[in-house]
Amino acid sequence: EAGVTQSPTHLIKTRGQQATLRCSPISGHTSVYWYQQALGLGLQFLLWYDEGEERNRGNFPPRFSGRQFPNYSSELNVNALELEDSALYLCASSAVRQETQYFGPGTRLLVL
Amino acid sequence: RKEVEQDPGPFNVPEGATVAFNCTYSNSASQSFFWYRQDCRKEPKLLMSVYSSGNEDGRFTAQLNRASQYISLLIRDSKLSDSATYLCVVNSGGYQKVTFGTGTKLQVIP
Repeated sequence: EAGVTQSPTHLIKTRGQQATLRCSPISGHTSVYWYQQALGLGLQFLLWYDEGEERNRGNFPPRFSGRQFPNYSSELNVNALELEDSALYLCASSAVRQETQYFGPGTRLLVL
Repeated sequence: RKEVEQDPGPFNVPEGATVAFNCTYSNSASQSFFWYRQDCRKEPKLLMSVYSSGNEDGRFTAQLNRASQYISLLIRDSKLSDSATYLCVVNSGGYQKVTFGTGTKLQVIP
């Protein structure tokens, strides 16, 4: 069974640009979670989608947004990139809400 | 008080030692708990769930203390390959967000 996949693996952008990160959950999983992990720091919860709806969001500005598609894949958009947005962005999925989360390998975003 | 708190460490222990980590949580209504392991520059991977009755998987034992609102992870006979950051995770149920601790770093030394 394929795990959670994320693309791209690495992304380099300049300040002010927009970034789009993609995630495909494990087949059969309906919940997708996004996290930001800056270098040396813990996971910061960004967004949670379940059945196509945004269910909860962390303490991040509105320029962090996303969506979940009918096939349960998800997209994270970060507008007006700032240097401090440089981090590893992890996506996780779970079969039903609040059950065990399985992580993808992440997208490393570097903002120059 | 943080929702989930862990001692960041690092815990430097010799091979073969027993080491234990605690993780405290603030929401008494929290319903499920997990330990994840994260290797350097990799994604977190599920280590084990934490049940009310406690659970054991080989050298690893996880316990839950609801009265004092903490979970623990015990690692016996530490191996060099156990070196990683251990994250505790607390779920509050419904659509309350899942909260990860910031992790405890373990370094097993030869």
